[in-house]
Amino acid sequence: SQTIHQWPATLVQPVGSPLSLECTVEGTSNPNLYWYRQAAGRGLQLLFYSVGIGQISSEVPQNLSASRPQDRQFILSSKKLLLSDSGFYLCASSRTSGGHTGELFFGEGSRLTVL
Amino acid sequence: AQSVTQLDSHVSVSEGTPVLLRCNYSSSYSPSLFWYVQHPNKGLQLLLKYTSAATLVKGINGFEAEFKKSETSFHLTKPSAHMSDAAEYFCVVSDASGGSYIPTFGRGTSLIVHP
Repeated sequence: SQTIHQWPATLVQPVGSPLSLECTVEGTSNPNLYWYRQAAGRGLQLLFYSVGIGQISSEVPQNLSASRPQDRQFILSSKKLLLSDSGFYLCASSRTSGGHTGELFFGEGSRLTVL
Repeated sequence: AQSVTQLDSHVSVSEGTPVLLRCNYSSSYSPSLFWYVQHPNKGLQLLLKYTSAATLVKGINGFEAEFKKSETSFHLTKPSAHMSDAAEYFCVVSDASGGSYIPTFGRGTSLIVHP
């Protein structure tokens, strides 16, 4: 199975500051990678997904961007954070071979508070 | 296109009584279906999955779900709730539409277990 490492676990940032959340994957090659955001008491919102190095699809217009510099590395960034960027961010991975079905493996999440 | 509807935002049960969390889906292809559990401030953990094999699927912690194509449902059940089952539960559908298995999440059901 896959292991997802995500950091930092907790982050408190002022409005207007930059953001970088990182995610790496072990146990698979060429995975699909995802960034989700979960606002307090709400479901998961898909922000970005990637099917390969340098290939990023954005699901919602926003203040954030994503990059995939290596096969198993996925980075979520912002140049200037907004209050509305606060939330719980989850990185996830899925296989793309060997009978892939869309099953997701999740990291432990990053709690971002923008003040 | 695929979609999933979790029919209850909150379900409240007493410890030792049965659990039923309802999920209906829509898919133009043969879908894969999943249930995930999320405890507070944690990532999501896979409970069980249906991938076109047996329609009654058994998962971890005594949970099971039955895929009913005629009803487009994938309800999650457990015979006897434990206090540790209190968490958020997500139903997810994934199919090959668009050429890639991008999962779609339900809005989640919060399971409350009373002593």
